[in-house]
Amino acid sequence: DAGVTQSPTHLIKTRGQQVTLRCSPKSGHDTVSWYQQALGQGPQFIFQYYEEEERQRGNFPDRFSGHQYPNYSSELNVNALLLGDSALYLCASSPIQGNTGELFFGEGSRLTVL
Amino acid sequence: AQSVTQLGSHVSVSEGALVLLRCNYSSSVPPYLFWYVQYPNQGLQLLLKYTSAATLVKGINGFEAEFKKSETSFHLTKPSAHMSDAAEYFCAVRTNNAGNMLTFGGGTRLMVKP
Repeated sequence: DAGVTQSPTHLIKTRGQQVTLRCSPKSGHDTVSWYQQALGQGPQFIFQYYEEEERQRGNFPDRFSGHQYPNYSSELNVNALLLGDSALYLCASSPIQGNTGELFFGEGSRLTVL
Repeated sequence: AQSVTQLGSHVSVSEGALVLLRCNYSSSVPPYLFWYVQYPNQGLQLLLKYTSAATLVKGINGFEAEFKKSETSFHLTKPSAHMSDAAEYFCAVRTNNAGNMLTFGGGTRLMVKP
């Protein structure tokens, strides 16, 4: 049973560019959340997708956008990259039914903005 | 807003010694609480969770945590540290009952000396 998979694992961009990160949830999970983890800090919630719609959003600007596909996979898009967007981006999945908040995390996509 | 405070960004113990990682939370409603572990260059793995059942929660790898409502604490302990326990540990609180937005603490890096 595959867990949460993310791609790419590492990428380097320059300021002003756009980036797309991808996530496939754990089998049987229909809800995907994205978190940003800056170096030396705890993860911060970006947003959550369920039934192809954004359901909750953290305190992130609208440069951060996402999408969920019918197969539950998800993308995180960041436009107009800033140096401060350099971080590990974590995708987490969970089932919506009977969910007690436990999230299953992928290994992350490490973004470096130069 | 709910928050999590982890006292001590770095904790160092000797192999075989007691591990105690501190976590205090603030919440206006009964919380769900979690401890996650992150090994270098990896995602987060759930150690244990409190979901309003038993106040003493046992997790993987010999870790346990006790929910103390009067102290708003959820400290993580392990009787005897092993070298393989060296990692970053994050305490998290579930922000609401309708979604997957976890609020994480800043993390505690556990170092284990031989």
